[in-house]
Amino acid sequence: DVKVTQSSRYLVKRTGEKVFLECVQDMDHENMFWYRQDPGLGLRLIYFSYDVKMKEKGDIPEGYSVSREKKERFSLILESASTNQTSMYLCASSIASGTHHTEAFFGQGTRLTVV
Amino acid sequence: AQTVTQSQPEMSVQEAETVTLSCTYDTSESDYYLFWYKQPPSRQMILVIRQEAYKQQNATENRFSVNFQKAAKSFSLKISDSQLGDAAMYFCAYRPKRDDKIIFGKGTRLHILP
Repeated sequence: DVKVTQSSRYLVKRTGEKVFLECVQDMDHENMFWYRQDPGLGLRLIYFSYDVKMKEKGDIPEGYSVSREKKERFSLILESASTNQTSMYLCASSIASGTHHTEAFFGQGTRLTVV
Repeated sequence: AQTVTQSQPEMSVQEAETVTLSCTYDTSESDYYLFWYKQPPSRQMILVIRQEAYKQQNATENRFSVNFQKAAKSFSLKISDSQLGDAAMYFCAYRPKRDDKIIFGKGTRLHILP
């Protein structure tokens, strides 16, 4: 089974702190994603990476950056956390397009609270 | 812009009954995938069912089936014989075949009444 693991289930950080959310997948997937989930807004894509060191902005990249130095690991960075970044963060991975395996596999989520 | 719309924020169904969750999407692509994902309370998001746009036959997975209407850009999920374990947030999602990004709807919270 594909496993996507997020380093923390719950995090509480202070306003202005630099925050790292880590995600690791064990199936050699090319693609990795960071989504933010808020009630009534569904999942919104923050950043997408299709290869090591490659990234694309999603719909809401402001206030976030990402790092992908190794294929299995994709980090989301909040440079200076703010209270409006309090949310559930979901990491996902998938195989590159062109195969029959098309869906994304998700981690368990990190609930981040910024105080 | 490609969008996915789930018009029912919440639904309830009696245990053992059948319920249908609605989803519409907007795209100019002709080849794409559609998905329904399930997110149980405090648990991981998992894939329920997948449909390829070029396949006319509606996908089925045990008690879960879809009604895919390509011309109407509609992709509804039917859950038969609802069980307490079906209580979850359900997300409809779309992915064009030429792209790897998946676009999600806002979700429908499904309650199962015993």
